[in-house]
Amino acid sequence: QSVLTQPPSASGTPGQRVTIACSGYNSNLGTNDGYWYQQLPGTAPKLLIYRNDQRPSGVPDRFSGSKSGTSASLAITGLRSEDEADYYCVSWDDSLRGWVFGGGTKLTVL
Amino acid sequence: QLHLQESGPGLMKPSETLSLACTVSGGSISNSDYYWAWIRQPPGKGLEWIGSIHYSGSSFHRPSLKSRLTLSVDTSKNQFSLHLSSVTATDTAVYYCARPMTPNDAFDIWGPGTMVTVSS
Repeated sequence: QSVLTQPPSASGTPGQRVTIACSGYNSNLGTNDGYWYQQLPGTAPKLLIYRNDQRPSGVPDRFSGSKSGTSASLAITGLRSEDEADYYCVSWDDSLRGWVFGGGTKLTVL
Repeated sequence: QLHLQESGPGLMKPSETLSLACTVSGGSISNSDYYWAWIRQPPGKGLEWIGSIHYSGSSFHRPSLKSRLTLSVDTSKNQFSLHLSSVTATDTAVYYCARPMTPNDAFDIWGPGTMVTVSS
């Protein structure tokens, strides 16, 4: 059971907007920043969003993040077939004194 | 450009001790204030943070693994290592090493990962 809760799956058609939610607690997202990773099959995770809403250089602006209270959200606009991947949210947990991950959301582009 | 590369046994038997090393190239492990991390992913499952270590040796661990886990650093080899004792099939996973973006952020640089299978 993951500390951060994500829906196991999400889907959309090309060009659509998709959002993935991540629910946490006061000890993690309620106090600390959220991060998002994209993982393509057989590869290491890639940082998509850091500090809730910041994009590393090279990440398209189709990807955006937000945080409110104890929840974070990843939005993908102009969905493309290459966006089909697993997405994970991450935060620091003050109570556990460690990094906690969401269970991951498998995004399917129909 | 910084690169991380994991190395390990691949296949091991239950009750053995897993030893993995992460070799850092393109930068010095001791020229920074980072806590270098280990993260694993069981087949078909999600990511799980294992622990993080500073080049000084200061470390913190996932509570559920703390009794079996030892993290270490070898600055002369520019490596950090993981040792997990008494492994079982539930320790079967891809193990990644990673570096945080800043000392206070999550990870932006990951190794490619190494698969470890525990089987009798």
